[in-house]
Amino acid sequence: SAVISQKPSRDICQRGTSLTIQCQVDSQVTMMFWYRQQPGQSLTLIATANQGSEATYESGFVIDKFPISRPNLTFSTLTVSNMSPEDSSIYLCSVWGASTDTQYFGPGTRLTVL
Amino acid sequence: QKEVEQNSGPLSVPEGAIASLNCTYSDRGSQSFFWYRQYSGKSPELIMSIYSNGDKEDGRFTAQLNKASQYVSLLIRDSQPSDSATYLCAVMRGNQFYFGTGTSLTVIP
Repeated sequence: SAVISQKPSRDICQRGTSLTIQCQVDSQVTMMFWYRQQPGQSLTLIATANQGSEATYESGFVIDKFPISRPNLTFSTLTVSNMSPEDSSIYLCSVWGASTDTQYFGPGTRLTVL
Repeated sequence: QKEVEQNSGPLSVPEGAIASLNCTYSDRGSQSFFWYRQYSGKSPELIMSIYSNGDKEDGRFTAQLNKASQYVSLLIRDSQPSDSATYLCAVMRGNQFYFGTGTSLTVIP
């Protein structure tokens, strides 16, 4: 399995600001994903972070709102831009590939927007 | 039709009983199947993976796969209060993963 860390683990932000979440893996992985999970709800895939190219976004998510970077095979960032209270959620990074045979999840970032 | 569907729950079982969690998937091209457990406030953790028809046992957990019926299940024997969590079924096809909405399980002491 892969060891995944996320920073920050939680944050409280003001409306209209932006927050960047970092995801670090202890080994090279093929794919990195960003999910959102609202309280009591299931996982919603935001995008697949592609190394060296633009992320692939799911329906309902756009690059201007959720810009993603993936400069190498072990690191990715997700920015939540121009936040509103509706963005309050848990954001999860997950990885797949290379030495892993399924997706493994990071510990998550709990975001509250006031 | 959703890619992955789970029995909605919530499911309650007494301690020591068998908990049965069910999942169906829509695409016959699906290759790999997984069960994740998610405790409240935590991220999902992998508990079982299964790739071929039949049963796969790991301790108190048994995953069952029937590709003809497009059905995968998870049995938890001798359920413990610590098994109380939401269980997510996931299916992999190509390099795409599809998650179910989860089934909430409560084990009553």
